[in-house]
Amino acid sequence: GIQVEQSPPDLILQEGANSTLRCNFSDSVNNLQWFHQNPWGQLINLFYIPSGTKQNGRLSATTVATERYSLLYISSSQTTDSGVYFCAVGRGWGGSNYKLTFGKGTLLTVNP
Amino acid sequence: GAVVSQHPSRVICKSGTSVKIECRSLDFQATTMFWYRQFPKQSLMLMATSNEGSKATYEQGVEKDKFLINHASLTLSTLTVTSAHPEDSSFYICSARDGGTGYNEQFFGPGTRLTVL
Repeated sequence: GIQVEQSPPDLILQEGANSTLRCNFSDSVNNLQWFHQNPWGQLINLFYIPSGTKQNGRLSATTVATERYSLLYISSSQTTDSGVYFCAVGRGWGGSNYKLTFGKGTLLTVNP
Repeated sequence: GAVVSQHPSRVICKSGTSVKIECRSLDFQATTMFWYRQFPKQSLMLMATSNEGSKATYEQGVEKDKFLINHASLTLSTLTVTSAHPEDSSFYICSARDGGTGYNEQFFGPGTRLTVL
């Protein structure tokens, strides 16, 4: 199956700093999503971005499908940004082919 | 929009009992739902794909008779953990794909924390 690698595994920042999280995947995909898992376990959809660039406030993401990677940018980080960030990819159409494969995540800690 | 709910959020049961977890898409129809399992400090692992009106598709290594999945309507899928044992204690999360948009984006429920004593 498809392999998803996220880096770095852990990241510690001071409030106000910027950061870049990376997601590499081993095959072509037609779905790529970034999530933030909050302390209660809820996965928050950040971006649906199988290709191209999107921005939402202090967050932005870029997926270069031909080179099989995606980047998540966090600017002016805040303590509430702390948590685990997951990248997940999918590569099929129909039924179980829509399934997502998750990376191991990046644990982000933002200190005040 | 695109809200997925799960019930219960937390359940504690005795070993040998069965537990049912519900997953509902509140504002869209989901022909396909997914069930994941997450152990502490680990990533999400797909257990099965739930297809409305047909049998679920299980991932390799997942016991079909232990984790029963039913997708009786376009807004409801259930996961029943039969004869639960302490090793089944985990965080179970469902997701749903909005089949009406033409996109593959999935939306996740808040999860159910199962503790088997």
